[in-house]
This record gives sequence, C-alpha cells and structure tokens, in this order.
Amino acid sequence: EPEVTQTPSHQVTQMGQEVILRCVPISNHLYFYWYRQILGQKVEFLVSFYNNEISEKSEIFDDQFSVERPDGSNFTLKIRSTKLEDSAMYFCASGRAQETQYFGPGTRLLVL
Amino acid sequence: GESVGLHLPTLSVQEGDNSIINCAYSNSASDYFIWYKQESGKGPQFIIDIRSNMDKRQGQRVTVLLNKTVKHLSLQIAATQPGDSAVYFCAVSRPGTYKYIFGTGTRLKVLA
Repeated sequence: EPEVTQTPSHQVTQMGQEVILRCVPISNHLYFYWYRQILGQKVEFLVSFYNNEISEKSEIFDDQFSVERPDGSNFTLKIRSTKLEDSAMYFCASGRAQETQYFGPGTRLLVL
Repeated sequence: GESVGLHLPTLSVQEGDNSIINCAYSNSASDYFIWYKQESGKGPQFIIDIRSNMDKRQGQRVTVLLNKTVKHLSLQIAATQPGDSAVYFCAVSRPGTYKYIFGTGTRLKVLA
C-alpha cells in the first residue's frame, strides 16, 4: 500500500539555522500539505499546495516558511531561521482529491 | 475562532468492550469529518470519514455518527482490542478550504 514518507525522522538544529524537511507524497496525489504538532497539543495546519502553488496557508506560515515541489516526487518545507518555538513534529500529507488526506510519519524537529 | 474539541482526554475500556469517543465542532458550515488514529511516534492514520449529508457511516468495527443539529461527532469502536490503544483525533473541514481543523485528541487505553 503506498505511503507518504518523510525524511529525516529527527532533526536537531541550532536557533537561527535553516532546516529543510522532506516529504515524498503518494505518487498519484495532487494535493499536498504540511501540518505541525507541538508536543502534547493539536495538529495544526500550516499550508496546502496544489498545481505548483500555495492554495492556502495559516497564520503560522509566515515569511520564515516556504514550500517547494522541486521535482515530480518531493515536497519540501523550509524554515529559514529557526526559533525555539518551531520545535514540533512536522507532518506532510497528500491527497488525490481535495478532501481525504494521508499523513506521513512525521519529522521531529528540535531547535536548541 | 473555529474550534474542534473532544470531550475526554483519556478513555479506558476493557478489552472486548465497545468504545465511544466524542468530538464537538463549532462551525456549522463544516461539511466533511474524519477520524484519525495516532500511535506513539507515528503520523495520523485515516480511520473513517463522513460527509454532512450523512448521519452514520460504518467501517470494519468502526462507526461514525454525525449530529449536525448539535454539531457533534462520535467514533464507536466495537470489541475494542489492545491494538486500538492510541490517540484518536477528529478533524473537520468546510467548503472553500483545504485545511483540516483538528481536535485535541482522546487517548484510548485498552485494559486486558
């Protein structure tokens, strides 16, 4: 059964550094998403991406964040200058239609 | 703002009993509802979904009930098994948006 995959599984970085989180969505999916989950809290929407552009973003997704689909398979989330409060689990999701979203296993980001 | 909440942070049930996990949402325009299961260290796993034109939908050992009048959603798990132990989230979306709004999650503990 096809799955969304994410790399790395864990990332530790220093405050102010740039990080790139990578995702490989399910191959025939057209809609791509990033969510985050701070430890013990809700899963929060960050951004959705369709037809090579951002279709929706939350207030969390400020100028420090960007997304890219550099080729036909990868979908990346970049945080330009990480802050302590960016420490969270980041989930990528994809969907064939606008609704049902399938989540990856997540990348745990720790900013020191 | 829009909110999705779960009634109980933790639910303990005996193996073999039925489990009922509840969720309330605030936006009456919500039209698509999903239950996810999240095991420790993993991403949310799709369980079952329901659209607003239905009030009940059944899957394998799971049933989702939707009461639009009181904006309430429930997940029923029949004959709960140890492998059902996880955190369960409801998520809702509405027309014109790609994002899911997640609830806070209920941790289901299955007692042997």
